[in-house]
Amino acid sequence: DTGVSQDPRHKITKRGQNVTFRCDPISEHNRLYWYRQTLGQGPEFLTYFQNEAQLEKSRLLSDRFSAERPKGSFSTLEIQRTEQGDSAMYLCASSLFQDTQYFGPGTRLTVL
Amino acid sequence: GQQLNQSPQSMFIQEGEDVSMNCTSSSIFNTWLWYKQDPGEGPVLLIALYKAGELTSNGRLTAQFGITRKDSFLNISASIPSDVGIYFCAGDPPGNAGNMLTFGGGTRLMVKP
Repeated sequence: DTGVSQDPRHKITKRGQNVTFRCDPISEHNRLYWYRQTLGQGPEFLTYFQNEAQLEKSRLLSDRFSAERPKGSFSTLEIQRTEQGDSAMYLCASSLFQDTQYFGPGTRLTVL
Repeated sequence: GQQLNQSPQSMFIQEGEDVSMNCTSSSIFNTWLWYKQDPGEGPVLLIALYKAGELTSNGRLTAQFGITRKDSFLNISASIPSDVGIYFCAGDPPGNAGNMLTFGGGTRLMVKP
């Protein structure tokens, strides 16, 4: 099964540290999305790429957040100087153009 | 921005019972999607709806895209313990071209054997 994969599945870090997450989309999908989900809420859109171009960013994506998709395949999401409010599940999804989005298992971040 | 209101927020039912949940919005949507999420996992797509009035089934699940394009419902027939989880509706608003899904707050389903 070659679905969306994310690494790591869990990350615990201390406030002020930088963290980086990776997402590998379904291989033929050209769009890749990042969402954030806090406890008891639905996912909230952060940003998306079409191939290597980052085409849209939510206002939730503060200056401390940066996402890349350098070769149009996998993507990384980096959070600098983490804060306790960054604790959440970070979900990646992929699609073929505007077709249905398929989600990965997520990376759960805990900031102490 | 657009908001999706899901109800009920939670349900506790007996195994074998039918379940109904819905999602409403003050704005129209081009697409309605229903996902299920298990603890510690990402959402898994259950049903996708693309046309107003569309009624689609997937096994024991049935979902409809409301005729006004502002609502959708999901029914589960003859519930079983593995139906436990959180069900999310998600929509793709006009002018968005499928870039950004808006999610509801979820319906938590608990099934008593």
